[in-house]
Amino acid sequence: SQTIHQWPATLVQPVGSPLSLECTVEGTSNPNLYWYRQAAGRGLQLLFYSVGIGQISSEVPQNLSASRPQDRQFILSSKKLLLSDSGFYLCAWSTGSAQYFGPGTRLTVL
Amino acid sequence: SQELEQSPQSLIVQEGKNLTINCTSSKTLYGLYWYKQKYGEGLIFLMMLQKGGEEKSHEKITAKLDEKKQQSSLHITASQPSHAGIYLCGADIYSGNTPLVFGKGTRLSVIA
Repeated sequence: SQTIHQWPATLVQPVGSPLSLECTVEGTSNPNLYWYRQAAGRGLQLLFYSVGIGQISSEVPQNLSASRPQDRQFILSSKKLLLSDSGFYLCAWSTGSAQYFGPGTRLTVL
Repeated sequence: SQELEQSPQSLIVQEGKNLTINCTSSKTLYGLYWYKQKYGEGLIFLMMLQKGGEEKSHEKITAKLDEKKQQSSLHITASQPSHAGIYLCGADIYSGNTPLVFGKGTRLSVIA
């Protein structure tokens, strides 16, 4: 069966520090991968999605970036965090219609 | 503008009561997906609806897709504390290999 992992589960970082969140999927091949941010009262905001290795589509221009170095690995990064980057980050995968989500990473930027 | 509207935004019901959550799209629905989220956790996939008039049930949760109205409803019968959480609908409105769009969610509280 397929599983999706996110690391770390929680993170507290100072403003201006770098960020790296990792998402890995097991049990499937060539999935579409997604990064979402969920802020209180604002629903799910799609940040990036990828249909293959090295292929990244950016939905919202900001100081975040994403990379897909391997088929089942998706990384969300930032060189300098802003206060507004705080939120709950969710990774998801799909191979057809439904998307399946990871457990999330709660990021607090102080 | 929001492509997918959910109502109500929040709901408090007494244990044992029935409830309905609605999800309305401003565009044609090629697929509608319901998820449940507990605070601080990921989204759990509940059901997928793809055909007009389709209805699916899982335990005490039933979801229907009214394709003509571009709307879906989620109905919970005899609510229990375990039903509490945030319910989100996601929709395929571009009919292709594209990400789903999501509503803002409905927060459900079930009180004894």
